[in-house]
Amino acid sequence: LAKTTQPISMDSYEGQEVNITCSHNNIATNDYITWYQQFPSQGPRFIIQGYKTKVTNEVASLFIPADRKSSTLSLPRVSLSDTAVYYCLVGRSGGGADGLTFGKGTHLIIQP
Amino acid sequence: GAVVSQHPSRVICKSGTSVKIECRSLDFQATTMFWYRQFPKQSLMLMATSNEGSKATYEQGVEKDKFLINHASLTLSTLTVTSAHPEDSSFYICSAIPGQGRNEQFFGPGTRLTVL
Repeated sequence: LAKTTQPISMDSYEGQEVNITCSHNNIATNDYITWYQQFPSQGPRFIIQGYKTKVTNEVASLFIPADRKSSTLSLPRVSLSDTAVYYCLVGRSGGGADGLTFGKGTHLIIQP
Repeated sequence: GAVVSQHPSRVICKSGTSVKIECRSLDFQATTMFWYRQFPKQSLMLMATSNEGSKATYEQGVEKDKFLINHASLTLSTLTVTSAHPEDSSFYICSAIPGQGRNEQFFGPGTRLTVL
């Protein structure tokens, strides 16, 4: 299983861009990178998924370098409501059970 | 789309009783669902993988006789905590994968179990 390493916590301010980096040095060839957001006492919510280069959706961008040993979740113009724990997961495509190990996540705190 | 529900959202029970938690995929079929447990201020821990029509696969250290999983249909998986004790108090979360080329997990809202 590809292990992930993220910063335990990050602070930022409203309106700023926030980048959270995840290291996954032993990522396998058919592993995808997926990011989730979790608020207290709620289930995680899917944010974005990618395999290589850059992926963008309505809420975030995901940057993956060529060696795929890390990835960066970019949240543009954060607000107070983006305060949450963000998890990076690495696992195979097709919905297999591999790679469903959650790391400690990054506790992002947004201040006014 | 891809909504997962859980019932109940919270339950309080006495020590020694059994509690059943339901996980439903509302707008898609899920051949595989997953059950997680999360203690306060900790990450999610995968307990088991629930496969429709077959026995669940449990993670190391999870007692299959204590945490009974049944995945009787493509939209419903249940987790029964048998003979619950205070140390089983936790936040239980299920997830499902839509399949058909999509492999991101969609999570339920979680069930808060408190065993007195």
